[in-house]
Amino acid sequence: NAGVTQTPKFRVLKTGQSMTLLCAQDMNHEYMYWYRQDPGMGLRLIHYSVGEGTTAKGEVPDGYNVSRLKKQNFLLGLESAAPSQTSVYFCASVPGHGKNTEAFFGQGTRLTVV
Amino acid sequence: AQSVTQLGSHVSVSEGALVLLRCNYSSSVPPYLFWYVQYPNQGLQLLLKYTTGATLVKGINGFEAEFKKSETSFHLTKPSAHMSDAAEYFCAVSDPPPRSSASKIIFGSGTRLSIRP
Repeated sequence: NAGVTQTPKFRVLKTGQSMTLLCAQDMNHEYMYWYRQDPGMGLRLIHYSVGEGTTAKGEVPDGYNVSRLKKQNFLLGLESAAPSQTSVYFCASVPGHGKNTEAFFGQGTRLTVV
Repeated sequence: AQSVTQLGSHVSVSEGALVLLRCNYSSSVPPYLFWYVQYPNQGLQLLLKYTTGATLVKGINGFEAEFKKSETSFHLTKPSAHMSDAAEYFCAVSDPPPRSSASKIIFGSGTRLSIRP
């Protein structure tokens, strides 16, 4: 059972470059999330999705875009990376539809923007 | 709007001592509450959760937490700390379904637990 898989695990970007982080889950979960983790700030919600084809903004959405074209995948895009986006990014999924009793997390993507 | 406050970014206890990590929440309705643990360079894993029913919930590794509505708190405790408990701990909140906000899970800023030999 793979669970939640994030790709890539590490990446270094130059300011202004773009990239896409991929999150894939094989548990048929409805809800998916992208968080960023920064020292002293915990996990902050960037964007989330309650189903295929739907997305919503979280606490810190600026500078990011997302897409959920397939139920099992949730993509996080940075169109023009900035040093402030240096962080560890976590994807999570939840069964959804009233079964919000546990979030399953990926192992994280460590992104450095120079 | 939901929010979570964890008092103390770093807690240090001696091995064998009581562990107490504090969490207070803000929510317009009785929420679902969670504690997650993160070991170095890993993702988060669920320790325990409160949804409905008994307000004292037991989790893995000997941890437990009590939901106190009057105090809007969900503090995490363990009677006797072990070296392997050293990690970062996160409290989280979500509104229960069928509220439209039920899909959002908001985390606190985390508490790093250190264990002294």
